[in-house]
Amino acid sequence: DTAVSQTPKYLVTQMGNDKSIKCEQNLGHDTMYWYKQDSKKFLKIMFSYNNKELIINETVPNRFSPKSPDKAHLNLHINSLELGDSAVYFCASSRAGGTLGEQYFGPGTRLTVT
Amino acid sequence: GESVGLHLPTLSVQEGDNSIINCAYSNSASDYFIWYKQESGKGPQFIIDIRSNMDKRQGQRVTVLLNKTVKHLSLQIAATQPGDSAVYFCAENSGGYQKVTFGTGTKLQVIP
Repeated sequence: DTAVSQTPKYLVTQMGNDKSIKCEQNLGHDTMYWYKQDSKKFLKIMFSYNNKELIINETVPNRFSPKSPDKAHLNLHINSLELGDSAVYFCASSRAGGTLGEQYFGPGTRLTVT
Repeated sequence: GESVGLHLPTLSVQEGDNSIINCAYSNSASDYFIWYKQESGKGPQFIIDIRSNMDKRQGQRVTVLLNKTVKHLSLQIAATQPGDSAVYFCAENSGGYQKVTFGTGTKLQVIP
């Protein structure tokens, strides 16, 4: 009965590789997000999708490409990984038009680039 | 640019005492604020929210206070329990459409 799930939970890879993180929500929400949390716990929004449409695209390198095959899924693909990409990536979802900010977060994916 | 930040990076409180976590924001146009709790190894969890037309809102053992004059909000936790140990984030809705800007976080340590 997991609400927002992410896979994998841990990802260790070398610089230059391409990797993907998957996210699924079973809450019936229309809006999904990707956040990056650095080593100092600072959380920053990267992308937001509403009904498969890109709504928010923060200043993120174009090596990061989100893909939403349907409104229950928002995957994050990262090309040419760099050391600075090491972080914990959180997926979240919310009801469009629901209480602003009431977002449900996944457990996170810890990405380590060596 | 605009930012949301916290005064104290770490707060230690005795079990049973009340905790107060503070947050300053700089965007005077912010009209919605949220507190999240993040336990170790988990994603942030919504605690309570408040709109700018209110100055106080209460939940179960938690109260959020908003002072728009000085652009400050606080989270009060009554009778702090070990399970309250976590990092707490204040956040604001900025830029519309559920774009949430998080503050830097305060770590709450509960001493048994």
